[in-house]
Parts: sequence; C-alpha cells; structure tokens
Amino acid sequence: GDSVTQMEGPVTLSEEAFLTINCTYTATGYPSLFWYVQYPGEGLQLLLKATKADDKGSNKGFEATYRKETTSFHLEKGSVQVSDSAVYFCALSGNTGANSKLTFGKGITLSVRP
Amino acid sequence: GAVVSQHPSWVICKSGTSVKIECRSLDFQATTMFWYRQFPKQSLMLMATSNEGSKATYEQGVEKDKFLINHASLTLSTLTVTSAHPEDSSFYICSAILLPALDTQYFGPGTRLTVL
Repeated sequence: GDSVTQMEGPVTLSEEAFLTINCTYTATGYPSLFWYVQYPGEGLQLLLKATKADDKGSNKGFEATYRKETTSFHLEKGSVQVSDSAVYFCALSGNTGANSKLTFGKGITLSVRP
Repeated sequence: GAVVSQHPSWVICKSGTSVKIECRSLDFQATTMFWYRQFPKQSLMLMATSNEGSKATYEQGVEKDKFLINHASLTLSTLTVTSAHPEDSSFYICSAILLPALDTQYFGPGTRLTVL
C-alpha cells in the first residue's frame, strides 16, 4: 500500500537557518503530494502541494519539488523564523476522485530559537 | 477560505458513556468528510470516509459499531464514540473536501477526548 516516510525529529534550528525536511514516498500510479503544518493548539493547514512530477509547490517561503525518480518531496526554506515552529507532515493522495485518501508521514517537530 | 469547525474542542467523559463529536464545513458544502485519530507525537490515522447520504467507509481495523459516523447533511458529519473506554482517549480530527479540488482536504481543529 501507499506509505510516506519522514526523517526523524525533532529538529531545532536558530532563526535564519536553512531548513530541509526529508520526505520519501511509496505509491502506485501518480499521487499528489502535500506538506501540512500544525501550529501549536491548531488544526492541520495545507502548506503546499504538487500534483505531478517536477512540479514545485511553494508558500510562505517554503518549497518542495515532486521528484518521481527519487520518490521524494523534501521541504526546504532558506531562512526560518521563530513563527515557523510547528509540526510538519508530509502526505500523499492517491488522487482517485472524491474519496481520495491522504496517507501521512509521522510528522516532525520543528523548533526555531531566536 | 474553506473553514471546518469541530465541537467540542475537548471533552472528558466516564468510561462506558458515549460521546458525540461534530464536524461542520462553515462556508462550503462537503459531500465527503474524513475522520482521523491522532495519538501523541504520532501521525494521523484515517478512521473512515464519510459521504453525505450514505454509509461511511471504515478503514481496516476500525470498529464501525464502536465509532458511529453519520453524514446527514452537506455541512455536518458526526462521530459518536460508543461505550468509551480509556484506550479511546485520543485527538480526533475531521477534514472535508472542497470541490472541485478533490485532492485537497481542509482540516478541523480537532477534538481532545479523555475517557476516565
């Protein structure tokens, strides 16, 4: 079945540091790929997505490129801020219509210190 | 934007009682909603897919008689945890699809259930 593997956490960075969070996936067909973010005390929010190979999703300074050859969707940001502290989930959708199910990675906690 | 609410945000109940959690799409109609369970410091596990006007589709290993799902309208789905036990304590999250973007789910803020 489909699966998503995220790098182990937690991750602690200083403000303005470069961020990379690794994500690889296993899926049949051509899934859509997502990054969701969960801020403390809040629900999950869609951060960015990519629906086909070589697409780059971007939002709030974060980027991720859909790499089919390496089955990866790594999240990057050039300069993190304290406000980026949250839990980040990589996910995929089989994209099979109205009942598309999301498969999530385990999530990784990012803490950014001033 | 698409907003999904949940009620209550937290609930504490005694073992053996039933608890109902509501999930509402506030500014759109959701023909499909999903229910997830999240354990501390772990990922979201899909419990069931709820389609308006039809029976929910449960994931393998999820007891349908334990977790009753009703999707009676295009803006409301409910999850009832029947005869709750301490092991049912968890964070329950719903999501909804906003047409026509079938691959994007909008999540509610979650409900923290504690069973004593």
